[in-house]
Amino acid sequence: DAGVIQSPRHEVTEMGQEVTLRCKPISGHNSLFWYRQTMMRGLELLIYFNNNVPIDDSGMPEDRFSAKMPNASFSTLKIQPSEPRDSAVYFCASTPARSNQPQHFGDGTRLSIL
Amino acid sequence: QQPVQSPQAVILREGEDAVINCSSSKALYSVHWYRQKHGEAPVFLMILLKGGEQKGHEKISASFNEKKQQSSLYLTASQLSYSGTYFCGTEIRDDKIIFGKGTRLHILP
Repeated sequence: DAGVIQSPRHEVTEMGQEVTLRCKPISGHNSLFWYRQTMMRGLELLIYFNNNVPIDDSGMPEDRFSAKMPNASFSTLKIQPSEPRDSAVYFCASTPARSNQPQHFGDGTRLSIL
Repeated sequence: QQPVQSPQAVILREGEDAVINCSSSKALYSVHWYRQKHGEAPVFLMILLKGGEQKGHEKISASFNEKKQQSSLYLTASQLSYSGTYFCGTEIRDDKIIFGKGTRLHILP
């Protein structure tokens, strides 16, 4: 079974550039979560979707961050313009339902903003 | 709102036991436990629901005391493969999980 697929695995770009991270959840999973992981702050929830609808985006750092889920099999997280402090590993996870379900994580995107 | 994990780091010899604690200031709906190895994604271990249940997974088990809003993860007769960072995730209502900062576990041969 295919797991959660994220792309790219690594991204290095210069400050000010637009960055787009992509995620394909497990087929049949209704909830999708975007996380950011850093040494200082740990694993932070940025936003999550249920049935393609954003439910809670209170973790999105600021207006430079946006996320979309145009259909059940694809989501994007966009940063525009990017800043060095956005450097982190970004994970996408999906679950079959909203609660009491294991979260299946993708391999993550390691983002470095120079 | 972020749960507090303790200890922050543990070093054990193979075969020794460890306990990792997770506490929250909020009433919990459930507690999740994950393990992450360096450079990899977090991997699900188990979920505990309110009701004070205890669960086991090979030699790894956990308990959940909803009155104290605490959960503990027990690793018995640790193996080298248990090394990694352990995260608890607390679910306050029936949707999002908030993760603790993790406990780094290093097993020596």
